[in-house]
Amino acid sequence: DVKVTQSSRYLVKRTGEKVFLECVQDMDHENMFWYRQDPGLGLRLIYFSYDVKMKEKGDIPEGYSVSREKKERFSLILESASTNQTSMYLCASNQGGWGNEQFFGPGTRLTVL
Amino acid sequence: GENVEQHPSTLSVQEGDSAVIKCTYSDSASNYFPWYKQELGKGPQLIIDIRSNVGEKKDQRIAVTLNKTAKHFSLHITETQPEDSAVYFCAARVGNTPLVFGKGTRLSVIA
Repeated sequence: DVKVTQSSRYLVKRTGEKVFLECVQDMDHENMFWYRQDPGLGLRLIYFSYDVKMKEKGDIPEGYSVSREKKERFSLILESASTNQTSMYLCASNQGGWGNEQFFGPGTRLTVL
Repeated sequence: GENVEQHPSTLSVQEGDSAVIKCTYSDSASNYFPWYKQELGKGPQLIIDIRSNVGEKKDQRIAVTLNKTAKHFSLHITETQPEDSAVYFCAARVGNTPLVFGKGTRLSVIA
């Protein structure tokens, strides 16, 4: 059973704090993705990675960075959290090649005060 | 880049009725069109997908149709049940690029 796990379900941080969101997948998938989900805006791609140490910007990368040091782990970093980064963050992974199912984690609800 | 529009944003149906959600895409090179279902408190999960060389695909009570000429595709759910209540997302992909998602449809099935 494919599993994508995220380090926290709920997180509350203060403005200006550095925030790490961790994602781990157990299916040896090559591709990993970070999305944010906001009401009325759907799923927006922040960053993705096709391989270890490789990263590509998605549609809304501003204010975020990522790290992929190991194939199974993809971290999203908010260098200095702001209130407009309060959102649901979803991690996903899939096997390389087009048309392959993306598996999502349960999400992390981040609140920045 | 690709742009995916999804309608309606909310949909309420009586249990047993059919539900239809429609999406349009902008890039005629798109070749893969999945639909994801997101239940409360969970991440989205693939329920059905269709590739550009197929016009229709069915899996029990759900079906997807694709009209490449008009650049739109639709999800059809028949005999809806309360457990079909969820948020549904359509998506499109060009080649080996990341999926582009629609904004989602919140479906409520009223018992």
